[in-house]
Amino acid sequence: DVKVTQSSRYLVKRTGEKVFLECVQDMDHENMFWYRQDPGLGLRLIYFSYDVKMKEKGDIPEGYSVSREKKERFSLILESASTNQTSMYLCASIRDRGYNEQFFGPGTRLTVL
Amino acid sequence: RKEVEQDPGPFNVPEGATVAFNCTYSNSASQSFFWYRQDCRKEPKLLMSVYSSGNEDGRFTAQLNRASQYISLLIRDSKLSDSATYLCVVNIGGATNKLIFGTGTLLAVQP
Repeated sequence: DVKVTQSSRYLVKRTGEKVFLECVQDMDHENMFWYRQDPGLGLRLIYFSYDVKMKEKGDIPEGYSVSREKKERFSLILESASTNQTSMYLCASIRDRGYNEQFFGPGTRLTVL
Repeated sequence: RKEVEQDPGPFNVPEGATVAFNCTYSNSASQSFFWYRQDCRKEPKLLMSVYSSGNEDGRFTAQLNRASQYISLLIRDSKLSDSATYLCVVNIGGATNKLIFGTGTLLAVQP
């Protein structure tokens, strides 16, 4: 069974704090993704990575950065958290570009006060 | 116009009913299509892929109409456990396997 884990299920931070969201997958997948999910807007892609040290901007990268130092780990960083970054953050991975099923982590519900 | 559009619902149906969800996509170059299921406060999980010839998995049938850029999901004999949000998902192809998600259709099956 593919397993994607995220470091926290719930997180509360203050405006201006630096926030790290960690994602780890245990199936040697090449591609990893970070999404945020908001009511009425669905899942929106923030960043993705198709290899170690590689990263690509998704549809809404502003205010975020990512790090992929190891194949199994993909981190999302909020350099200075703002209230409009309150959301559900979902990490996903996929074996490689020839495959289609994305496996998701359980999500981190982040609240920025 | 959204890249993937779905009726948000909710669809409230009694147990045993047949219910159909529709989805349209705007990018004619889209290559592959899926339905994901998301339970309340859980992550999305792949329900089934959608093929041009149509495909069935038990009580679930998915159809794709490329000419009309339209995808459907039919659920027969609804169960209480089918209550969830159903996400229409499109892979636009290219080098990155990027998926575009619809906002989801909420199904509530009632006893």
